[in-house]
Order: sequence, then structure tokens, then C-alpha cells
Amino acid sequence: ILNVEQSPQSLHVQEGDSTNFTCSFPSSNFYALHWYRWETAKSPEALFVMTLNGDEKKKGRISATLNTKEGYSYLYIKGSQPEDSATYLCAFSNAGGTSYGKLTFGQGTILTVHP
Amino acid sequence: GAGVSQSPSNKVTEKGKDVELRCDPISGHTALYWYRQSLGQGLEFLIYFQGNSAPDKSGLPSDRFSAERTGGSVSTLTIQRTQQEDSAVYLCASSLVPNSNQPQHFGDGTRLSIL
Repeated sequence: ILNVEQSPQSLHVQEGDSTNFTCSFPSSNFYALHWYRWETAKSPEALFVMTLNGDEKKKGRISATLNTKEGYSYLYIKGSQPEDSATYLCAFSNAGGTSYGKLTFGQGTILTVHP
Repeated sequence: GAGVSQSPSNKVTEKGKDVELRCDPISGHTALYWYRQSLGQGLEFLIYFQGNSAPDKSGLPSDRFSAERTGGSVSTLTIQRTQQEDSAVYLCASSLVPNSNQPQHFGDGTRLSIL
């Protein structure tokens, strides 16, 4: 059983604050790490797919880093806005086996940005 | 359509009835995934159709759950003799190829309530 853990479980910040959260995953047989944003009443939206140790990805004010050797990824949001309020999910895939698309999701971090 | 389409968006049924949930993936996507999110839980993998290869059914919680994908496109998830613990949001996703270095594109989900 693969264990993907996200922290914190929830986070409240003020508009303009920068914030970050963590995804921990098994460091052996790493293949890919995904981040998704899931807003209420919408479908999860892919933010990043990272496959290489040391990868850094950026999309507007959101960025992510990856450390496959120690098994963690950070998601950063710079200058949070109320529209950033959502659940942020990470998902891990390991190599081996025949299910190369299969992802194991963490429980998510619920971000609330107060105006 | 442009995105993943799921129907119905909401389904309320009595315990013991059978239900069928439908997913229409993005045209040309060879991989299709079903997940569910129960109250207070993370996204739980159910089943994964990977092109012409055998589906990965390792996440189906019991033999009351089954899924098929006809003609490599539309998929239906069937739950027989529904139980109250089956109440959840059922999400479908598709990706271009069955490889976890590709992002998954999600539908809006079906909210299933078992009375």
C-alpha cells in the first residue's frame, strides 16, 4: 500500500500572504508526482506533473518543487488571492508493474484565502 | 465535447437498487480512470482502463462494483445492490495515454446518495 501524505490538512491565510504545503510519498521506485487544484463545485484541474528529481515548475503565482530522493514535494502560492481557495491534491505514481497511469492521491490540503 | 463528461450529476436511490454511472472521456484519450471520494476521505482509485490492455481493477471495493468501457470510449460504472457506504462523489478522468507522466483530466463527478 502506497502512503501519500499531505500537510497541513487545512490552512487559512489572508489575501496577499504567501503560503506553502507539503506532499510526502515513498522515495523508492518513483515515477511521477502530480498536483491538482479542486475548487468547490468544479472538477479537479491539473497544475503540474513532475518526473525528475529537482524539478521546479511554475504557473503564474503557483510553483512546485520535487525531491524524489527524500520523498517530498512542496507547492508554493505567492500573494494568495481569494480565488486560490480550493483543495490542493497531490498524487504519486511508482514505477514497476503494468499500471503505468495509476495514481495514489493524498487527502488534500484545504486552502481558504480571506479577503 | 471538449472535456470529460459524466452523467448523471446527481443520483439519489434506495438501498439495494442498482445504479449505473456514465463517463464520456475526451476524444482520443486512451486511458480512463474511475475514482470516488467519500465524505471526509481522499480520492480513492477504483479502476483504470489502459488502452487495449486489461483494465486494472485492483481498487474496486467489492464484487458489487463493475465497470466496462465499450469501443475504447464511453465507460459505465455499475454498482449492484447499493449500500449506504457507497454514497460518495464518483469521479472519472481520462489521459491521452496510459502513462502517469501525463496529466489526468477530470469530469465534474456524479454525487451518489443512497437512502
